[in-house]
Amino acid sequence: DGGITQSPKYLFRKEGQNVTLSCEQNLNHDAMYWYRQDPGQGLRLIYYSQIVNDFQKGDIAEGYSVSREKKESFPLTVTSAQKNPTAFYLCASSISGSQETQYFGPGTRLLVL
Amino acid sequence: QKEVEQNSGPLSVPEGAIASLNCTYSDRGSQSFFWYRQYSGKSPELIMFIYSNGDKEDGRFTAQLNKASQYVSLLIRDSQPSDSATYLCAVNGDYGQNFVFGPGTRLSVLP
Repeated sequence: DGGITQSPKYLFRKEGQNVTLSCEQNLNHDAMYWYRQDPGQGLRLIYYSQIVNDFQKGDIAEGYSVSREKKESFPLTVTSAQKNPTAFYLCASSISGSQETQYFGPGTRLLVL
Repeated sequence: QKEVEQNSGPLSVPEGAIASLNCTYSDRGSQSFFWYRQYSGKSPELIMFIYSNGDKEDGRFTAQLNKASQYVSLLIRDSQPSDSATYLCAVNGDYGQNFVFGPGTRLSVLP
């Protein structure tokens, strides 16, 4: 089955700790995205990548980092510099960038201990 | 700053009625428009996309686009309790730009 997987489903972060959220897709999509969703709010773009080894900051990149070493994978690291990381994190992909439909993974809920 | 606005709701309709969800956007250069459904605690799933002015129908769903007035709407006919969810409008501009999502409208279909 083709799709987007995210792991873990729930993640707990301690003060000062970096944590990494996994996103893998087997749809052969070129573009991948990371969004953050806070309760009752829409999605805000953190980072996106339209090609391997290249990525761009979105609207709220501070405190986050990404890599795109493989077409299938786009992990997101939430660093200790992100002071309010509690949110629902969604990874998406599309055939290419810009106007193509984005398809979402199941999400990771990050909580701070 | 490009903006996409939606009424947060909740919008309550009785089962079998037509639910009408509206979305307005600020960027006149926007090219493509998407409606996603998001159940509580789940990720968004695509319902429809529309690129051209007018109506586009898919089963019980109809998307309507009016670029001159900068709004896009989603009609759900014969609403079912299973349609109860938050509906997100997303708008995209020219090549190289990214989606802008609205805050979503929460729909409640009452049995």
